[in-house]
Amino acid sequence: ETGVTQSPTHLIKTRGQQVTLRCSSQSGHNTVSWYQQALGQGPQFIFQYYREEENGRGNFPPRFSGLQFPNYSSELNVNALELDDSALYLCASSQKSGPYGYTFGSGTRLTVV
Amino acid sequence: DQQVKQNSPSLSVQEGRISILNCDYTNSMFDYFLWYKKYPAEGPTFLISISSIKDKNEDGRFTVFLNKSAKHLSLHIVPSQPGDSAVYFCAASAGTSYDKVIFGPGTSLSVIP
Repeated sequence: ETGVTQSPTHLIKTRGQQVTLRCSSQSGHNTVSWYQQALGQGPQFIFQYYREEENGRGNFPPRFSGLQFPNYSSELNVNALELDDSALYLCASSQKSGPYGYTFGSGTRLTVV
Repeated sequence: DQQVKQNSPSLSVQEGRISILNCDYTNSMFDYFLWYKKYPAEGPTFLISISSIKDKNEDGRFTVFLNKSAKHLSLHIVPSQPGDSAVYFCAASAGTSYDKVIFGPGTSLSVIP
């Protein structure tokens, strides 16, 4: 059973640029959720995808967008990067009907300079 | 507006003693609660959960207690071991689909040998 894989592990971008983060979900999972974890804080919900459609969104601006593909992998895109976007971005997969919560990847550390 | 609160940023406990991590929530719609553990450079891993229809759930050394009237839950670790040293996140969701799990800011537990 493969876990959740995120790429890249680290990334440095310049303010105003665009970034794409990738996530491969755990085998058998059909739901992917993205979280932003700033330093010293808990993960903040960005959005969730279920069967290729957005299934809920947190308090993030539209420049945060996503995709889910037929194999349930997912992308997080952030446009017009700001310094405050610097954070650890976590992807979590789950079975929508599963009772045991998420399986998280190790995250992508994004630094905006 | 923080819906899940963990008011103790850190906790130190001697090996073999009990660790008690506390969590408070404000949203009365939450009906499923989870604890995650996070080591540095890794994603959070699921530890234990509890449904709002229960007031206690036990799994080995880990027990979660839920007091719905007080909107409070706690995680007990007995006996504490050095390998338990990690950041512990309390999380909550509304609805059985576990959408939009909301995390607290975390408590860093240090178990001293």
